[in-house]
Amino acid sequence: EIVLTQSPATLSLSPGERATLSCRASQSISRYLAWYQQKPGQAPRLLISDASNRVTGIPARFSGSGSGTDFTLTISSLEPEDFAVYYCHQRSNWPRTFGQGTNLEIK
Amino acid sequence: EVQLVESGGGLVQPGGSLRLSCAASGFTFSCCSLHWVRQTPGKGLEFVSGISANGLSTFYADSVKDRFIVSRDNSQNTLYLQMGSLRADDLAVYYCARIGLSDWYDYWGQGALVTVSS
Repeated sequence: EIVLTQSPATLSLSPGERATLSCRASQSISRYLAWYQQKPGQAPRLLISDASNRVTGIPARFSGSGSGTDFTLTISSLEPEDFAVYYCHQRSNWPRTFGQGTNLEIK
Repeated sequence: EVQLVESGGGLVQPGGSLRLSCAASGFTFSCCSLHWVRQTPGKGLEFVSGISANGLSTFYADSVKDRFIVSRDNSQNTLYLQMGSLRADDLAVYYCARIGLSDWYDYWGQGALVTVSS
């Protein structure tokens, strides 16, 4: 099973700042990685597919990069609604697995 | 608008059974594979089970194999998860999720809480 390790566990930033979230896979997963956002009491929402493809309707301030084992989600300028938990997710190997999440909180 | 609505969650004793349902609308139900994903505070998000668009192929996490059965009724636009021999560590919010054209979970239900306790 592929283990996805996200860092940091918690990221404290202010609106307008740049957020950089990392996800590292225990073995190469090519570009088979997605990023999800989850707010309290809600289901996860797909933001980025295949490492860098922004889903329709997701603001351009969200971007993804990486391949192999190291991936990054960047939020260029934080809006108040961006404070949430972010998960990475891989579908390269069975079973699909998720990272443990990064809690992006307001500083 | 695509909607997935889970039902059937609740409190069950260890060793008991429960059936979750996921009613879908807003898309051609038979198009897509569907999965169950659960979330716990301790283990985060975890794939539980999946079923192909036509229902002929099913998949399970090792942790639920031989205890859970996934099925779907394409005539009723409904996904099911029959859970048996429930254990304390099955306590979670269970989501149904659609596999979209991109092969990622593009739509999720609101979740159904399953509590296993005596």
